Amino acid sequence: AQSVTQLDSQVPVFEEAPVELRCNYSSSVSVYLFWYVQYPNQGLQLLLKYLSGSTLVKGINGFEAEFNKSQTSFHLRKPSVHISDTAEYFCAVSMDGTASKLTFGTGTRLQVTL
Amino acid sequence: DSGVTQTPKHLITATGQRVTLRCSPRSGDLSVYWYQQSLDQGLQFLIQYYNGEERAKGNILERFSAQQFPDLHSELNLSSLELGDSALYFCASSAPSGRTHENTGELFFGEGSRLTVL
Repeated sequence: AQSVTQLDSQVPVFEEAPVELRCNYSSSVSVYLFWYVQYPNQGLQLLLKYLSGSTLVKGINGFEAEFNKSQTSFHLRKPSVHISDTAEYFCAVSMDGTASKLTFGTGTRLQVTL
Repeated sequence: DSGVTQTPKHLITATGQRVTLRCSPRSGDLSVYWYQQSLDQGLQFLIQYYNGEERAKGNILERFSAQQFPDLHSELNLSSLELGDSALYFCASSAPSGRTHENTGELFFGEGSRLTVL
């Protein structure tokens, strides 16, 4: 079975500071990893995904994530956050790369302040 | 705008009642997924339909049922409602399977239907 752990339920950060949101996964087979973002009063939307190839993945809005197989991690980073990045961020894992078997983490609330 | 439409956006009802939530997927998407999001349970996968047929089942209660119609819209029926059913219910769709350049695990979510059971 696959699972995703997001250790930080909330991450407060000042505007223009860097941020890292942590995600660890557990699976006995190859995995495909995703980060979704949920802005207030909206549905989730895809930030970025890792299916294969380069372990550093770039997404929308300046976010990137690095797949680390040895540490079973897929942490999300942004070098300089903006107020508009305030949202809930969900890490998700799929065993076969399709949407049918996505398992979501519990989410991390990123709160950006001035 | 994801292209996925959900109605109603808000719904308030009483315990024991039955409600129906409706979802229209993105044009061309054959799969529809239903998720429940609550503060204590997080985002829980309920059920998936593909081109009218049930494809996968998650943590869906027996009091809940869903279906996908020939025009690909889907409905989630919640009956004998309890206080604990209060949550945000999301519908999502994904590109048709078999076209690997499109089916890359991306879900397109609607804005959700917020259900409050009093």
